[in-house]
Amino acid sequence: KAGVTQTPRYLIKTRGQQVTLSCSPISGHRSVSWYQQTPGQGLQFLFEYFSETQRNKGNFPGRFSGRQFSNSRSEMNVSTLELGDSALYLCASSLAPTSGRNEQFFGPGTRLTVL
Amino acid sequence: GENVEQHPSTLSVQEGDSAVIKCTYSDSASNYFPWYKQELGKRPQLIIDIRSNVGEKKDQRIAVTLNKTAKHFSLHITETQPEDSAVYFCAASIDSGYALNFGKGTSLLVTP
Repeated sequence: KAGVTQTPRYLIKTRGQQVTLSCSPISGHRSVSWYQQTPGQGLQFLFEYFSETQRNKGNFPGRFSGRQFSNSRSEMNVSTLELGDSALYLCASSLAPTSGRNEQFFGPGTRLTVL
Repeated sequence: GENVEQHPSTLSVQEGDSAVIKCTYSDSASNYFPWYKQELGKRPQLIIDIRSNVGEKKDQRIAVTLNKTAKHFSLHITETQPEDSAVYFCAASIDSGYALNFGKGTSLLVTP
């Protein structure tokens, strides 16, 4: 079974631009979560989607948004990029909340650099 | 919101020794506590997890203990090997596995 995939793997943008990152979960997984990883702040939760609905949201500004499609694939968008948005963005997939199996499996991440 | 603290930030042990990493959490409603291992340049990988209705769980050389009263949980690695060298993250969730709140990580180095 293929693992979680993320595209693109690397991205360079300039301040003020916007960016869209994509995540394809493991087949059969219906929940997708997004995390930001930086050396200073570690792994921080952004948001989680299930059945095309945002179930949980972390403490990030409104410039960070996401969505989930009917095939469970998810995208996150960051608008008006700032230098501090440079990070590794990880998505993780898991089975449905009602499954009783809540382990999250991470993708390889998208390395975003903002210049 | 939930706050997870992890100690130590770095840990160096000799091959064959044991390693212990400790985490505390603030929200007594937390009910799921996974541990992830992240090797350099790779994705975090789940190595063991425990739910709030269990006090201890073991998987070969790895074990996790949970003290709900004190709100802390620990990772124990016995008979460490050089390939155990990585960054280890603890996490806590009040939503049975979703919206994980991570500790800052422990960089473990196992020297031959």
